[in-house]
Amino acid sequence: DTGVSQNPRHKITKRGQNVTFRCDPISEHNRLYWYRQTLGQGPEFLTYFQNEAQLEKSRLLSDRFSAERPKGSFSTLEIQRTEQGDSAMYLCASSLTGGSGDTQYFGPGTRLTVL
Amino acid sequence: SQQGEEDPQALSIQEGENATMNCSYKTSINNLQWYRQNSGRGLVHLILIRSNEREKHSGRLRVTLDTSKKSSSLLITASRAADTASYFCATDAAGTSYDKVIFGPGTSLSVIP
Repeated sequence: DTGVSQNPRHKITKRGQNVTFRCDPISEHNRLYWYRQTLGQGPEFLTYFQNEAQLEKSRLLSDRFSAERPKGSFSTLEIQRTEQGDSAMYLCASSLTGGSGDTQYFGPGTRLTVL
Repeated sequence: SQQGEEDPQALSIQEGENATMNCSYKTSINNLQWYRQNSGRGLVHLILIRSNEREKHSGRLRVTLDTSKKSSSLLITASRAADTASYFCATDAAGTSYDKVIFGPGTSLSVIP
């Protein structure tokens, strides 16, 4: 068990550029979650997958955001036409079954800075 | 929107003292979890307490849950400098078919050696 990994750890981009982040969950986990966290706040839910199916998207996830989990393993989060307000830490988490109370294991996050 | 709200926002104590953080939430829950986040790093799950439980222990951690008051507390006994971190409570929503959790804004704990 190597834990949840995220790449890159840091991304600096210019406003208007597209960025893509990758999350590799714990291998046997079938639930995968994306969160966004800004300074001094708790993580805010963005979206989650059960295997390859995206089951819910937050209203925070505008049309510029898209997430995929094509084979039910790793996931990517793409932000198109980045804005300065997108600057945040993007966290990925995975869990085994998704049942109520199932522990979510978090990756170290990708810190995005939009200039 | 955030379901949980931690109190205090920041707490500073001397090493060896106990630290108590509180969490209040708005709607019925199935369970409540506490997470720790060290500066610039990912969240680590500490403890989960279910809605039908009132108290739970894990090492130096003690969590209580009062569903009538919609509140929980996290007690860290005999604090250490390594406990310096932000602590978040996270609640799910009772009656839903999924386990989406909602985090509060957190309590920033500083333990002074």
